[in-house]
Amino acid sequence: ETAVFQTPNYHVTQVGNEVSFNCKQTLGHDTMYWYKQDSKKLLKIMFSYNNKQLIVNETVPRRFSPQSSDKAHLNLRIKSVEPEDSAVYLCASSYGKDTQYFGPGTRLLVL
Amino acid sequence: QQKVQQSPESLSVPEGGMASLNCTSSDRNFQYFWWYRQHSGEGPKALMSIFSDGDKKEGRFTAHLNKASLHVSLHIRDSQPSDSALYFCAATDTEGADRLTFGKGTQLIIQP
Repeated sequence: ETAVFQTPNYHVTQVGNEVSFNCKQTLGHDTMYWYKQDSKKLLKIMFSYNNKQLIVNETVPRRFSPQSSDKAHLNLRIKSVEPEDSAVYLCASSYGKDTQYFGPGTRLLVL
Repeated sequence: QQKVQQSPESLSVPEGGMASLNCTSSDRNFQYFWWYRQHSGEGPKALMSIFSDGDKKEGRFTAHLNKASLHVSLHIRDSQPSDSALYFCAATDTEGADRLTFGKGTQLIIQP
């Protein structure tokens, strides 16, 4: 049963463009995350966010930024995409530090 | 250096057999472990966590943790074709799941 929703499923864009990916969770969780999964399937956390704190992985380029309107939504914006941004972006949520629940991902291809 | 190492990279097991996956942390602070499973085209899904020495069993899945060596294993008995997936080990320095460091995964293939 999907409770973390991501749109779009797939996005193709050109280098330098701005893109935004949406994530919504219906689990009533208070913490949301964005991960990047590269072509070798390696998962790396990019951001974690609750209503009190944004934690940024120091390796994340500044062109990436999370955007939240409320506890149930955490979008990901990439200001000027680079070829190395091609990956699957996974959104997840949790209640505090409990188990994380992942969405199906958004696959980004940068040409 | 990858702080969480998984082996093997790929594993093929006949249907009904036992699959054994391994994970080791190279950081002594990372003593709390999670196993996640990812089917193709989906996001990872948590299977179980293990924080104490010894075994933890959930259905067909058994995790074993040795804190002295920071080694955790996952054993899947009576493997089913639906168990074919990418299995991730993740570790953290607290019992909370909010700061997970993932390994590179083990691709498990169950042969019918």
